[in-house]
Amino acid sequence: GENVEQHPSTLSVQEGDSAVIKCTYSDSASNYFPWYKQELGKRPQLIIDIRSNVGEKKDQRIAVTLNKTAKHFSLHITETQPEDSAVYFCAARVRSYIPTFGRGTSLIVHP
Amino acid sequence: SAVISQKPSRDICQRGTSLTIQCQVDSQVTMMFWYRQQPGQSLTLIATANQGSEATYESGFVIDKFPISRPNLTFSTLTVSNMSPEDSSIYLCSVGQDSDKQYFGPGTRLTVT
Repeated sequence: GENVEQHPSTLSVQEGDSAVIKCTYSDSASNYFPWYKQELGKRPQLIIDIRSNVGEKKDQRIAVTLNKTAKHFSLHITETQPEDSAVYFCAARVRSYIPTFGRGTSLIVHP
Repeated sequence: SAVISQKPSRDICQRGTSLTIQCQVDSQVTMMFWYRQQPGQSLTLIATANQGSEATYESGFVIDKFPISRPNLTFSTLTVSNMSPEDSSIYLCSVGQDSDKQYFGPGTRLTVT
C-alpha cells in the first residue's frame, strides 16, 4: 500500500518567516495530494490540495508543489502568522476518497 | 462543503462497556468514513461506511469491535464495543465530496477508565 513520509515533525519559525513542510510518497499511482491543518482540539481542515496533472498551486499565503518524478510534494507558507500554528498533515491518495496520511508536522510560529 | 456534526463530543466510559457515536451530515454524501486519532498521532482509517451494506474495514479493525451502521446518505454510527483503556482516542467521521475532497466532523473524544 501507499506510504507517506513527512518532515520535519516539528518546525519552529519567527512570525513573518516562511515555512516549508515536505512529504514523499511511495505509490506512483497516487493522483491526489491534500493538506490538512489541525489546530489544538479541533478537526482537521482541508487547506489546499493538488492533483497529479498539476505541478504547483497557490492560495494566498500557501502553496503546494508536486514533483511526480521524485514522488515528492511540499507545502509552503509565506509571511507566517501566529494563527498558522497548528499540526499540518500531508496525504496521498490512490483509492477513491481514501488518502494515506503523513505523521504530521507541528508548526510553531513565534510572535 | 457539507456541515458535519457528531454526538457525543466527548465521553468518559468504563472498561467493558460500549459507546455509540453518531455522525450527521446536512446533505447527502456518497462516501462516509470513520477514523481514529490517538493523542499526538496521525489519522488512521477504521472503515468505510457503506449505505445499505456492511462497512469495509481496514486491516487491524474488525466488525465485532467497531460495528458501523449507515442507514441512509446523511447518517452513520460507529460503536466502540467492550472498551478498554487502549480505545481512548478521538474518533472522527468524515465525508467525501466533489470526487476527491474529504471533510472531517468535529470528533468525539473518548476516555476509557
